[in-house]
Amino acid sequence: AQTVTQSQPEMSVQEAETVTLSCTYDTSESDYYLFWYKQPPSRQMILVIRQEAYKQQNATENRFSVNFQKAAKSFSLKISDSQLGDAAMYFCAYRAGTASKLTFGTGTRLQVTL
Amino acid sequence: DAGVTQSPTHLIKTRGQQVTLRCSPISGHKSVSWYQQVLGQGPQFIFQYYEKEERGRGNFPDRFSARQFPNYSSELNVNALLLGDSALYLCASSKTGIQPQHFGDGTRLSIL
Repeated sequence: AQTVTQSQPEMSVQEAETVTLSCTYDTSESDYYLFWYKQPPSRQMILVIRQEAYKQQNATENRFSVNFQKAAKSFSLKISDSQLGDAAMYFCAYRAGTASKLTFGTGTRLQVTL
Repeated sequence: DAGVTQSPTHLIKTRGQQVTLRCSPISGHKSVSWYQQVLGQGPQFIFQYYEKEERGRGNFPDRFSARQFPNYSSELNVNALLLGDSALYLCASSKTGIQPQHFGDGTRLSIL
């Protein structure tokens, strides 16, 4: 069974600084996708970024980028120039290539301070 | 375009009762998935429906059931409610089920 582990329950970053959230996963599949979702207090899960396992290039979306280490099964999220609006729970998620089921980690609560 | 809409936003029930949660996907999306998110944890997959057929089921008891209607909206039913069913229930839609899923705001279910 696939598992997703987020070992940092909470992280804090100062506004305008950079923070990295960690995620590791376990799978025997070769075709899969990885995602980072943001869940603010409003509860809606918002897709931040996604990575296809077959792509070696790390995905980037504006201030958000990932460090995808396939051999190590590691998928970290880097947030640059942190903003107050980035404060939220961040969930790492896995999906096998042909499946629709998302497997989530336990989340990391990110605080952004002035 | 409207996003995924869920109703009600909050619901309070007592043990043993039955509940129905509703979800309307984004226009053009034919796949709907349901997740349970217990406080302090990540969402857990319950069901996925595509074109009105069940395409996936998570590790939940038979008290949980769902269906999808011709307009692609969906209902999640939970019978014989237990205290442990208290959670945020999230609905997500996508065009075909394997594309990125878009989530609704969820229904907060509280069991007394």
